[in-house]
Amino acid sequence: NAGVTQTPKFRVLKTGQSMTLLCAQDMNHEYMYWYRQDPGMGLRLIHYSVGEGTTAKGEVPDGYNVSRLKKQNFLLGLESAAPSQTSVYFCASSSGTGNEKLFFGSGTQLSVL
Amino acid sequence: LAKTTQPVSMDSYEGQEVNITCSHNNIATNDYITWYQQFPSQGPRFIIQGYKTKVTNEVASLFIPADRKSSTLSLPRVSLSDTAVYYCLVGDSVPYGNNRLAFGKGNQVVVIP
Repeated sequence: NAGVTQTPKFRVLKTGQSMTLLCAQDMNHEYMYWYRQDPGMGLRLIHYSVGEGTTAKGEVPDGYNVSRLKKQNFLLGLESAAPSQTSVYFCASSSGTGNEKLFFGSGTQLSVL
Repeated sequence: LAKTTQPVSMDSYEGQEVNITCSHNNIATNDYITWYQQFPSQGPRFIIQGYKTKVTNEVASLFIPADRKSSTLSLPRVSLSDTAVYYCLVGDSVPYGNNRLAFGKGNQVVVIP
């Protein structure tokens, strides 16, 4: 009964380094999302996908790229990390059938020094 | 793009009923009202969703007046484990697009022994 699984849970990067966050869901959901959460800011949508092979920009997409090569996986990439990308990142998925109920992963704490 | 207003924080004693209000004066005809709960170091979790009148599930009740310009989440007999941030979302069912469900800053509820 895994639901939405994110890896890694914690990561520390130096400015300019790159990394990929992995999100996997086992609910056969069509839609997947990446959010970031900063203190006092709520959750902000970075990118989302409405199906395998499709991606789209959310509210704060700059500095991030995503890919959805398989329906169950949604990858978030940082090509050149910046201190402003220090945040907690959450992946979510939903069925795509309307009145969406989001299922979230447990998050990745990323620090960029 | 949050279209909701919630109190920043509130305290409640263990065993009491907690009522959390949310204002959404500009709610559109197609908008649903959805509540999420977030514990520290975890992703948000869906609690309840409604369109009008009253909705009840095993966790909470949601009261929506006829004009739908506000809603109240009711948690019966809270325990210490109900300490969390509660988010009220209003939107046209999906978390993307111009009328998306967007997370605001939420309401920090602290349950006191």
